[in-house]
Amino acid sequence: AQSVAQPEDQVNVAEGNPLTVKCTYSVSGNPYLFWYVQYPNRGLQFLLKYITGDNLVKGSYGFEAEFNKSQTSFHLKKPSALVSDSALYFCAVRDIEDSSYKLIFGSGTRLLVRP
Amino acid sequence: EPEVTQTPSHQVTQMGQEVILRCVPISNHLYFYWYRQILGQKVEFLVSFYNNEISEKSEIFDDQFSVERPDGSNFTLKIRSTKLEDSAMYFCASSVSHYNEQFFGPGTRLTVL
Repeated sequence: AQSVAQPEDQVNVAEGNPLTVKCTYSVSGNPYLFWYVQYPNRGLQFLLKYITGDNLVKGSYGFEAEFNKSQTSFHLKKPSALVSDSALYFCAVRDIEDSSYKLIFGSGTRLLVRP
Repeated sequence: EPEVTQTPSHQVTQMGQEVILRCVPISNHLYFYWYRQILGQKVEFLVSFYNNEISEKSEIFDDQFSVERPDGSNFTLKIRSTKLEDSAMYFCASSVSHYNEQFFGPGTRLTVL
C-alpha cells in the first residue's frame, strides 16, 4: 500500500540557518512526489514536485527537494530560513504505476523559524 | 494568479441534515477532487471527478456522499445525512491533467452538532 512518513512533528530552526523537513515514501511502482505548505486558515499551497529527470527539484520561495530512490526519500530543503517560512508542510505521493489519481499525504511537519 | 475558491468557509449543521459544499476550480482544469482533514489527522482523499463522472472514490465516500458539476464552473460535494464524524475541513482541488500538481482551495470547515 502507498504511504508517506514525515517523522518529525515539528522542526525548529533559527532564521538564516538551513532547514530540512524529512519525507519518506512507499509505493509499489515509481512515484510522483509533491510538497505542499499550509499557512493558518489557508488551503494547501503547492511548493514543488518530482515527476522525472533531475533528482534535485527547485520550487517556490527558494525551496528545493532531493529525490533519493534508494532511500525512498524526498526531503525538503532551504539554504536560509525566513521567519515567514513558519507553517505546516505536507509531503504527498502518487504511484504512477497505479491508475489512481489520488494524493497520499504525510501527517505534516510544523516548521518554526525563530528570529 | 487563478485559484480554487470554496464556499462557505465554515458550515455548522445538525446531525442528519444535508449539506452542500461548493467549489469553483481553476477554469482550464479538467480534473477535480475532494479531500478532507479531520482535526489532528492526515489529509484524506475522498473522490476524483473527470469528464462528468467519478473516476475514483475512497472507502470514506459512501452512499451518503455525492459530487456534481452542475454547470461549467461549480463542483459540489453533498453529504445527504451528516454524522458527527463528518466534522472536518473539506478541501477541493483541481488539476490540468492527472499528471500535474493539484491546486487546493482554502477549505470549508464543517461542524456537525
